[in-house]
Amino acid sequence: DTGVSQNPRHKITKRGQNVTFRCDPISEHNRLYWYRQTLGQGPEFLTYFQNEAQLEKSRLLSDRFSAERPKGSFSTLEIQRTEQGDSAMYLCASSSRGGSNQPQHFGDGTRLSIL
Amino acid sequence: AQSVTQLGSHVSVSEGALVLLRCNYSSSVPPYLFWYVQYPNQGLQLLLKYTTGATLVKGINGFEAEFKKSETSFHLTKPSAHMSDAAEYFCAVSSMEYGNKLVFGAGTILRVKS
Repeated sequence: DTGVSQNPRHKITKRGQNVTFRCDPISEHNRLYWYRQTLGQGPEFLTYFQNEAQLEKSRLLSDRFSAERPKGSFSTLEIQRTEQGDSAMYLCASSSRGGSNQPQHFGDGTRLSIL
Repeated sequence: AQSVTQLGSHVSVSEGALVLLRCNYSSSVPPYLFWYVQYPNQGLQLLLKYTTGATLVKGINGFEAEFKKSETSFHLTKPSAHMSDAAEYFCAVSSMEYGNKLVFGAGTILRVKS
């Protein structure tokens, strides 16, 4: 069990640029989640996948955000035309089958800073 | 809908003292409850979880929590604080009826004084 891996750990970019983050879940986990955490707050749900299917998206996920999990393994989260308000920590988590009673295991996150 | 309230954004205890971090939840269906810990610039680590069965749940690092349905609470305790316990703690709720997402509280920063 190598844990959930996220890359990059830090991303600094200018407003208006596009950014993409990657998440590699624990290998046997079929569920993958994205959360966003701003300073002083708990993580907020963005979206989740079961295998390659994106099953739920939060209203926080505007049209500028897109997430994929093409082969049911790793996932990418892309933000287009970044804005100051996108500055946050983006966390990925994965869990095994069995429903929402299965604990989610988190990566160390990608911290995005918009200049 | 589901929500979590963590009372006290900051809690300070002396080393060796009891740790008590409060969590109250709101859920119209039977909840699954979790406590996570976050160290600076890191992700969240699971401390313990309640799904069904025994209402007193033991976790890692000497922490435990008790699910009290009548009080809609899931407070986290540890008998004796260590310096290494200084971190931010998050309570979270989920249920099958509301999808698989975790709904988190705003967090409580625990400070341990020597």
